Amino acid sequence: AQSVTQLDSQVPVFEEAPVELRCNYSSSVSVYLFWYVQYPNQGLQLLLKYLSGSTLVKGINGFEAEFNKSQTSFHLRKPSVHISDTAEYFCAVRVQGAQKLVFGQGTRLTINP
Amino acid sequence: NAGVTQTPKFRVLKTGQSMTLLCAQDMNHEYMYWYRQDPGMGLRLIHYSVGEGTTAKGEVPDGYNVSRLKKQNFLLGLESAAPSQTSVYFCASSYSTGVVGNQPQHFGDGTRLSIL
Repeated sequence: AQSVTQLDSQVPVFEEAPVELRCNYSSSVSVYLFWYVQYPNQGLQLLLKYLSGSTLVKGINGFEAEFNKSQTSFHLRKPSVHISDTAEYFCAVRVQGAQKLVFGQGTRLTINP
Repeated sequence: NAGVTQTPKFRVLKTGQSMTLLCAQDMNHEYMYWYRQDPGMGLRLIHYSVGEGTTAKGEVPDGYNVSRLKKQNFLLGLESAAPSQTSVYFCASSYSTGVVGNQPQHFGDGTRLSIL
């Protein structure tokens, strides 16, 4: 069975600093990878997804992620964060052909002025 | 566009009471899902449905039942609520994953449920 580990439960950064949120997964078969964002008191919104092809994927709000098959990682990055990026971020994986997503535990990103 | 709508947004129940959470989507999605979100545990799948009239168990199905009588609606029922079911519940929907499996899920805003 596949699993997802987000290595940091909380990440505090200063405004305009770069940030990386780490995600590792385990699966014996090919997967699709997703990052979702959850703003306070809201549902999850899709940030970006990796399906195939280029290992660097770009999403909304200036975020990007890089798929590394050898390290089974899908880390999320942004070169310069804003206060409005304060949210919880979830990494998720779906095995090809399966109906279900498996989520990581989430990383709370806090932006300090 | 409404997307995925969950009703109610908040509810407080006493132990042993029953209730039904309603999820409605207007995107003609085949698949629908119910998750619960608890601190430090991410989202865990309770039940899901791949089409009208079909349901399946997810990761944490005990104490919950579901029904999908209409394509646009997915109901989650608690027959006898327990304090351990205090959580935030999210509904999601997506197109069929088919052979590609890349269809993202669209989420509602959640239902905050407290069981006293």
